[in-house]
Amino acid sequence: QQQVKQSPQSLIVQKGGISIINCAYENTAFDYFPWYQQFPGKGPALLIAIRPDVSEKKEGRFTISFNKSAKQFSLHIMDSQPGDSATYFCAATGGYQKVTFGTGTKLQVIP
Amino acid sequence: GAVVSQHPSRVICKSGTSVKIECRSLDFQATTMFWYRQFPKQSLMLMATSNEGSKATYEQGVEKDKFLINHASLTLSTLTVTSAHPEDSSFYICSALDRNTEAFFGQGTRLTVV
Repeated sequence: QQQVKQSPQSLIVQKGGISIINCAYENTAFDYFPWYQQFPGKGPALLIAIRPDVSEKKEGRFTISFNKSAKQFSLHIMDSQPGDSATYFCAATGGYQKVTFGTGTKLQVIP
Repeated sequence: GAVVSQHPSRVICKSGTSVKIECRSLDFQATTMFWYRQFPKQSLMLMATSNEGSKATYEQGVEKDKFLINHASLTLSTLTVTSAHPEDSSFYICSALDRNTEAFFGQGTRLTVV
């Protein structure tokens, strides 16, 4: 059962543009929603995370928007750069529970 | 952020042999660690949850006798792939939870069974 749905599967954005990746979850017990960035041949690295008591969190060029009633959250990458080209995974977890990952979005930022 | 070290990063082994992968939390204690498997262009698939001092909890469809997990200390968990076969070739990734329940990932291990 896919508990975290992620879209799009792939995304091409021009340098300087905004990259937007969306996720939706089902389990209302989730209380922590991280985003991970993964480069080929490397493990995922925590990028930014949010808890459901806030609707938005911004760190540099990365922003998470969170809609608790709709059970959706999204990652916005402002001023996208070629170095941002990677696979992004949204995830959800609660307490000392396993992290449930989305299916991943391969982002390519073209010059 | 916290650092999780995974070793080796790459390993090639012959079919029928066993391979051990180590996952260490370098600057924090982790009572819970997770092992994942990732196929090319796919998401991470949880294999098992490793709790210090107790038996690992395996996900449905994962053979516990084939993928042996040991979590003997608060900073070390190991995954041993026993009697490896070519179909076990994959990218294996561990993660550890810190006290804030944030998950930090190792660098991954590329296993190739020939």
